[in-house]
Amino acid sequence: DQQVKQNSPSLSVQEGRISILNCDYTNSMFDYFLWYKKYPAEGPTFLISISSIKDKNEDGRFTVFLNKSAKHLSLHIVPSQPGDSAVYFCAASVWNNDMRFGAGTRLTVKP
Amino acid sequence: NAGVTQTPKFRILKIGQSMTLQCTQDMNHNYMYWYRQDPGMGLKLIYYSVGAGITDKGEVPNGYNVSRSTTEDFPLRLELAAPSQTSVYFCASSYGSGASNQPQHFGDGTRLSIL
Repeated sequence: DQQVKQNSPSLSVQEGRISILNCDYTNSMFDYFLWYKKYPAEGPTFLISISSIKDKNEDGRFTVFLNKSAKHLSLHIVPSQPGDSAVYFCAASVWNNDMRFGAGTRLTVKP
Repeated sequence: NAGVTQTPKFRILKIGQSMTLQCTQDMNHNYMYWYRQDPGMGLKLIYYSVGAGITDKGEVPNGYNVSRSTTEDFPLRLELAAPSQTSVYFCASSYGSGASNQPQHFGDGTRLSIL
């Protein structure tokens, strides 16, 4: 059963515009959510996280929003840059030692 | 500043062969993890360890074994390789879990093909 879903396999945006990546989950026990970024031939790298007690967390150009009632989170990147082009994974856990990942969304930022 | 190091980067095995994927971390992290990523899919947890001498199964443990004799090392063993184990394997580590909210740090992966 896929408890974390990223329904958009790919997203293309223009440089300078906003990128919005979406993620849905089914397990209401998840209390910690993360976004990872992955370049080809590299491992995922941590981008930003949010605890279930918050609904928003910002870090520079990256903001994660959590809507617990809808079991939905999103990652906003503003402004988008060509170097942001990568695969973005949404992840969720009840405890950090059993993390479930979505299938990823490939973001392409065009100059 | 090595972080999490995985070896080898690539490997081709024949069905029925065995091998060990190596993982070592130099961040003194207590928690270590093994994931596999199949094409078009997210990462799935195979095994994890919360400290030396302690391991536990994740979501997809069948066909694999692990050991954790030191804080630094967390090898993954495939005893009888099967085509279904063709995947990219990622090792990760973190300082804590749950309330510590420590993100996991990943190695660059081992691409394994079983023919």
